[in-house]
Amino acid sequence: QVQLQESGPGLVKPSQTLSLTCTVSGGSISSDGYYWGWIRQHPGKGLEWIGYIYYSGSTYYNPSLKSRLTMSVDTSKNQFSLKLTSVTVADTAVYYCARGGSAYKFDFWGQGTLVTVSS
Amino acid sequence: QSALTQPASVSGSPGQSITISCTGTSSDIGRYDYVSWYQQHPGKAPKLIIYEVSNRPSGVSNRFSGSKSGNTASLTISGLQAEDEADYYCTSYTSSSTQYIFGAGTRVTVL
Repeated sequence: QVQLQESGPGLVKPSQTLSLTCTVSGGSISSDGYYWGWIRQHPGKGLEWIGYIYYSGSTYYNPSLKSRLTMSVDTSKNQFSLKLTSVTVADTAVYYCARGGSAYKFDFWGQGTLVTVSS
Repeated sequence: QSALTQPASVSGSPGQSITISCTGTSSDIGRYDYVSWYQQHPGKAPKLIIYEVSNRPSGVSNRFSGSKSGNTASLTISGLQAEDEADYYCTSYTSSSTQYIFGAGTRVTVL
């Protein structure tokens, strides 16, 4: 059973960079046919796709976040990461990492981590 | 890209069947069979319950079923149970650069 776990600071100051890491266990991040995504949920709101990355390093980003977003993968650690620059209070959300696969579905999710942007 | 349209809430009594609609456009639901549904209990991560319009992942109850007609997808929960009380989100692949588009979510209440 694949498991994912997000980690990173729960509090980020405005204009700074939000950095999160997702550690994958129970399976290899280098498995063919899968990609590794981030989805966020603003407090009391719906889900928003942020982007995803393949183990090869190819990335696909939500155009609304693309200019501030960088994703990376570390196959040696079975981890992938997200960096979002120049954050504002509007970036306050629960951030989930998830495994994506065929049919554009996310079948395994991390528990989520709340990131608050505040001075 | 606007979100997929879902009713804000749907309710039903135990044992009843309810249906949640998810309306998109000819660029997403109407074009692709890549519609998924997620169930989210309060404070928990979303859980995949339907993919490719009508397929259930292993371990998901067969009380959950999905369908699609034109630009609208639907999730039906039959034999409603107290544990089904949760938020439900639809999502679709889209031909726009956004790739993924989510619905705003439907709160299911078991009366």
